[in-house]
Amino acid sequence: NAGVTQTPKFQVLKTGQSMTLQCAQDMNHEYMSWYRQDPGMGLRLIHYSVGAGITDQGEVPNGYNVSRSTTEDFPLRLLSAAPSQTSVYFCASSLLAGNDEQFFGPGTRLTVL
Amino acid sequence: AQSVTQLDSHVSVSEGTPVLLRCNYSSSYSPSLFWYVQHPNKGLQLLLKYTSAATLVKGINGFEAEFKKSETSFHLTKPSAHMSDAAEYFCAIKGGGFKTIFGAGTRLFVKA
Repeated sequence: NAGVTQTPKFQVLKTGQSMTLQCAQDMNHEYMSWYRQDPGMGLRLIHYSVGAGITDQGEVPNGYNVSRSTTEDFPLRLLSAAPSQTSVYFCASSLLAGNDEQFFGPGTRLTVL
Repeated sequence: AQSVTQLDSHVSVSEGTPVLLRCNYSSSYSPSLFWYVQHPNKGLQLLLKYTSAATLVKGINGFEAEFKKSETSFHLTKPSAHMSDAAEYFCAIKGGGFKTIFGAGTRLFVKA
């Protein structure tokens, strides 16, 4: 199993550009989530999904969209990038939406100029 | 609402001495609690989890944590630090929903 994969590893955008961060898992996990990590703030939940076709907002959803058309994929879209979205983004998955541990991808480092 | 507070942003220990990383929580539910470790430029990896079974939880790499409801704490300990333990550690809580809330993190430095 590849586990949780994320692409790209690094990305630089200009303000106003849009892009999609890709996340995929091959463990048949029901639950997937996106976090952003900023210094001194830990990880903050952006959006999550409890199964294909079901998504919901986390703590900091503004400026981001998600969809879950398949069990495996959970892309994160930045609609119009802003410097405040400069961060490291992590995708995670867990077998069930209950209290299971989450498996994390390696992260995407995004810089918005 | 639920939250976790990691009481130290940085902890420095000497190799071979004990490690204590402190985490307090707040929750209206019976929570599940987790400790994750993040090595530089890597994703997070689960160290251990508490899910209302035994209050003393053993994890990987010699770490353990004790759930203390009366003190609303879930501190992470290790008897003897190793250089490879240098990393950032995150306490996290989940309960009553689908969201996991993470603390701000504690960076552990291990001196030779």
